[in-house]
Amino acid sequence: GQQVMQIPQYQHVQEGEDFTTYCNSSTTLSNIQWYKQRPGGHPVFLIQLVKSGEVKKQKRLTFQFGEAKKNSSLHITATQTTDVGTYFCAGLKDYGGSQGNLIFGKGTKLSVKP
Amino acid sequence: DTGVSQDPRHKITKRGQNVTFRCDPISEHNRLYWYRQTLGQGPEFLTYFQNEAQLEKSRLLSDRFSAERPKGSFSTLEIQRTEQGDSAMYLCASSPSGRSTEAFFGQGTRLTVV
Repeated sequence: GQQVMQIPQYQHVQEGEDFTTYCNSSTTLSNIQWYKQRPGGHPVFLIQLVKSGEVKKQKRLTFQFGEAKKNSSLHITATQTTDVGTYFCAGLKDYGGSQGNLIFGKGTKLSVKP
Repeated sequence: DTGVSQDPRHKITKRGQNVTFRCDPISEHNRLYWYRQTLGQGPEFLTYFQNEAQLEKSRLLSDRFSAERPKGSFSTLEIQRTEQGDSAMYLCASSPSGRSTEAFFGQGTRLTVV
């Protein structure tokens, strides 16, 4: 079955350092989404990438979708303590035109030391 | 509140009992997902509905689990003969049709099997 792998599992950084998490799918994806989950909370949507090679930015966050639509990355520049949480990628499987289920990676837990 | 709502928020049950959870998605969202999440893990896909049709069910899901979405609106997830390993947070999410497939999550139902 389809798998979405995410690395690293944990990342501890000093405030102000950069952070990157990587996501790889075993199959080509219709799109990829990124979510953030704060401790005790539920996943909250950050962004969706659809096109091959797409790059999107949200302030200090940069999201990329690979050319083959099988991998993605999230990069945070100059982390802040408010960035703490677990970041999940989620791949949407394409049922030949009828978009199907959303498969999540295991997430990267980010901790930021002030 | 027009977000995804789940009921109950917490459920403690004895092993062997049946439990049923309810999810009310955002109105007009035709996609509905059920996930299970344990501590430190990503949301694990359980099943997916498009309107009232259950399009996919995880192969990891035993036949003790069943989900319905009878009128394409709210959904229920039933677990029969609960086991301690069923203890987890059960998350429901919905998303609209069309190009934007952002999933909106509910607060979840935390199940504890004792």
